[in-house]
Amino acid sequence: AQTVTQSQPEMSVQEAETVTLSCTYDTSESNYYLFWYKQPPSRQMILVIRQEAYKQQNATENRFSVNFQKAAKSFSLKISDSQLGDTAMYFCAFMRVGNKLVFGAGTILRVKS
Amino acid sequence: EAGVAQSPRYKIIEKRQSVAFWCNPISGHATLYWYQQILGQGPKLLIQFQNNGVVDDSQLPKDRFSAERLKGVDSTLKIQPAKLEDSAVYLCASSLGVRGYNEQFFGPGTRLTVL
Repeated sequence: AQTVTQSQPEMSVQEAETVTLSCTYDTSESNYYLFWYKQPPSRQMILVIRQEAYKQQNATENRFSVNFQKAAKSFSLKISDSQLGDTAMYFCAFMRVGNKLVFGAGTILRVKS
Repeated sequence: EAGVAQSPRYKIIEKRQSVAFWCNPISGHATLYWYQQILGQGPKLLIQFQNNGVVDDSQLPKDRFSAERLKGVDSTLKIQPAKLEDSAVYLCASSLGVRGYNEQFFGPGTRLTVL
């Protein structure tokens, strides 16, 4: 069974600085997708970034980028130039066959002014 | 384009009572998912529908939870009777299909409190 582990329950960062959220996963599948979702207090789950496992190039979306290490089964999220609106719960997720998502426990990120 | 709609947003019930949640997916999305998110945890898939058929309900506690999607569009999730441990946010999501990669779009969720 696939598992996703987020070892940082909470993180804080100063506005305009950079923060990295960690995620590791376990799977025997060779092709899969990985995601980072943001869940603000409104509870609306928003897709931040996705990575296809067969692509070696790390995904980037504006201020968000990932460090995907397939052999190590590691998938970290880097947020540059942090903004107050980035304050939220962040979930790392693995998509397995059949379009099913497996989520980690989440990391609460607080951006301070 | 309208997003995934859910109602109610909040519900408080006594244990052993029954409750139902409603979800309307994005128009044209064949696949619908119900997740349970307990406080401090990530969402856990309860059931997945493809049109009006069940694809996966392996993690649905079938002694008390039921779900249906009769016309392949909107869906209801029911809990009867509720237990204290059912207190959670229930998220509905939809996607175009299940083959390959299909982004899941989430609704705002229903927060259930069982007293």
